[in-house]
Amino acid sequence: AQSVTQPDIHITVSEGASLELRCNYSYGATPYLFWYVQSPGQGLQLLLKYFSGDTLVQGIKGFEAEFKRSQSSFNLRKPSVHWSDAAEYFCAVAPFNSGNTPLVFGKGTRLSVIA
Amino acid sequence: DAGVTQSPTHLIKTRGQQVTLRCSPKSGHDTVSWYQQALGQGPQFIFQYYEEEERQRGNFPDRFSGHQFPNYSSELNVNALLLGDSALYLCASSPGLAPYEQYFGPGTRLTVT
Repeated sequence: AQSVTQPDIHITVSEGASLELRCNYSYGATPYLFWYVQSPGQGLQLLLKYFSGDTLVQGIKGFEAEFKRSQSSFNLRKPSVHWSDAAEYFCAVAPFNSGNTPLVFGKGTRLSVIA
Repeated sequence: DAGVTQSPTHLIKTRGQQVTLRCSPKSGHDTVSWYQQALGQGPQFIFQYYEEEERQRGNFPDRFSGHQFPNYSSELNVNALLLGDSALYLCASSPGLAPYEQYFGPGTRLTVT
């Protein structure tokens, strides 16, 4: 069964610093890949998604992610973090070309931003 | 255009009771999926409804059941509540069965005492 690993439970960065959140997946083929953000008490908002093509994907709020097939990774990056980026970030996968298949989520990485 | 809405926002139940959570999908979406998010965890898939039928189910007991109405809204029912059922329950809607267009609601926080 597919699984998603987010190795960092909690990350703290200074405002204006760069950010990278790690995500590794376990699946036989390249799945659909997603990053969601969840602010306290809120639902999930889709930041970006990868299906195929260019391995560098641009999302909302200045985020981008890079798919690396050889490493089974889909890391999320932002060049300059804002205090409003403090939230929980979830990586998710769905098997490719399987149609009716739900998302499998990692356990999340909590991002704190300090002044 | 309203997004996915869920009700209630919060509720508190006692062990053994039954609960019903409600979800209205985003306009134009006909598929509803339910997820359970325990504290400190990622969401876990419960089941998915399309054309008023349960299409897929995650690893949850039969105490968890659902329904989809002709207007595509959905209910999640949990019987014989356990303390471990305390969680945030998220509803997601999508246009059809494809997984890549899921929009999430704000969730219902269920506390079982």
